[in-house]
Amino acid sequence: AQTVTQSQPEMSVQEAETVTLSCTYDTSESDYYLFWYKQPPSRQMILVIRQEAYKQQNATENRFSVNFQKAAKSFSLKISDSQLGDAAMYFCAYRSREGAQKLVFGQGTRLTINP
Amino acid sequence: KAGVTQTPRYLIKTRGQQVTLSCSPISGHRSVSWYQQTPGQGLQFLFEYFSETQRNKGNFPGRFSGRQFSNSRSEMNVSTLELGDSALYLCASSTLGHPTDTQYFGPGTRLTVL
Repeated sequence: AQTVTQSQPEMSVQEAETVTLSCTYDTSESDYYLFWYKQPPSRQMILVIRQEAYKQQNATENRFSVNFQKAAKSFSLKISDSQLGDAAMYFCAYRSREGAQKLVFGQGTRLTINP
Repeated sequence: KAGVTQTPRYLIKTRGQQVTLSCSPISGHRSVSWYQQTPGQGLQFLFEYFSETQRNKGNFPGRFSGRQFSNSRSEMNVSTLELGDSALYLCASSTLGHPTDTQYFGPGTRLTVL
């Protein structure tokens, strides 16, 4: 079974600075998908970024980018120019290519943005 | 296009009762998945429905069940409620439930069992 680990329960960063959230995962599969979801206080999960394992190029979405290290099974999220609206719980998630829509989530990292 | 909607948003039940939660996916989406979120266990996959058929199931007891209707709306049912069933129940939908599809989440139903 696949597992996802987020070792940082909480992180904080000054507004406008850069922060990196860590995620490692364990799988024996070679083809899969990785995601970062954001859950603000409203509790609605929002997709931040996704990465296909077969793509070597790291995904980017505006101020959000990932560092995907397949051999190390590491998938970190970098948020540049942090904004107050980035404050939320961030979840790393894994989805098998064969497992239809089942997402395996990490425990989450609570990100605080200091003004 | 309207997002995923879940009803009710909040629910209070007592032990032993049963509860039904509803999820309406984004128009055109045929796959609906359910997740349970608790402080202790985090986010856990319950099941996925596609075209009215359960396609995948998580490791939950048989008290947890679901179904999907021909219009893709889905319901999940929990019978004989226990205190540990208190959680945020999230529903997510995607177009065809293909591995490359993006899942869109609803706002959740907060269930409290007393």
